[in-house]
Amino acid sequence: DVKVTQSSRYLVKRTGEKVFLECVQDMDHENMFWYRQDPGLGLRLIYFSYDVKMKEKGDIPEGYSVSREKKERFSLILESASTNQTSMYLCASSLLGSRETQYFGPGTRLLVL
Amino acid sequence: GIQVEQSPPDLILQEGANSTLRCNFSDSVNNLQWFHQNPWGQLINLFYIPSGTKQNGRLSATTVATERYSLLYISSSQTTDSGVYFCAVGVISSGGSYIPTFGRGTSLIVHP
Repeated sequence: DVKVTQSSRYLVKRTGEKVFLECVQDMDHENMFWYRQDPGLGLRLIYFSYDVKMKEKGDIPEGYSVSREKKERFSLILESASTNQTSMYLCASSLLGSRETQYFGPGTRLLVL
Repeated sequence: GIQVEQSPPDLILQEGANSTLRCNFSDSVNNLQWFHQNPWGQLINLFYIPSGTKQNGRLSATTVATERYSLLYISSSQTTDSGVYFCAVGVISSGGSYIPTFGRGTSLIVHP
């Protein structure tokens, strides 16, 4: 079975802090994704990566950056956390190609005070 | 970009009832998936169904790609079916990568 893990289930940070969210998958997937989920808005794509050191912006990249130095690991970085970044963050991975299913991690609930 | 609309936004059922969830999308897609998010936040893939019909136990899904909609059927609902159901459709980005776009979901509560 594919396993996608995220570094924290719950995280509390203060405004202005630099925040790192990490995601690791164990099935050699090329694609990795970061979403945020807010009530009534569904999942919105922040960034995705289709290979090591490769990334593309999603729908809402402002205020975020990403890093993919190894194939199995995809990090989301909040350079200076703000209260409007309080949200549920979900990581996913999939094989390359348009006919592949996505596998999700358990999510990280981030609260920025 | 592609628009994905799910209906109804909320649904409340008694255990044992049947239901149909709908996903409309605004353009041709290469990929369509249905997910269930449990009350603890975990999303699980239910179906990969860009066209045709599939069944898995009490769940089945049908996608009519030419008319740009998909339906998820839940029969004999159970309390464990509660959660949010998402439809995600995929297109190829300008860079050649597959990008899934999610609808806002249908929140389902099944009462015992």
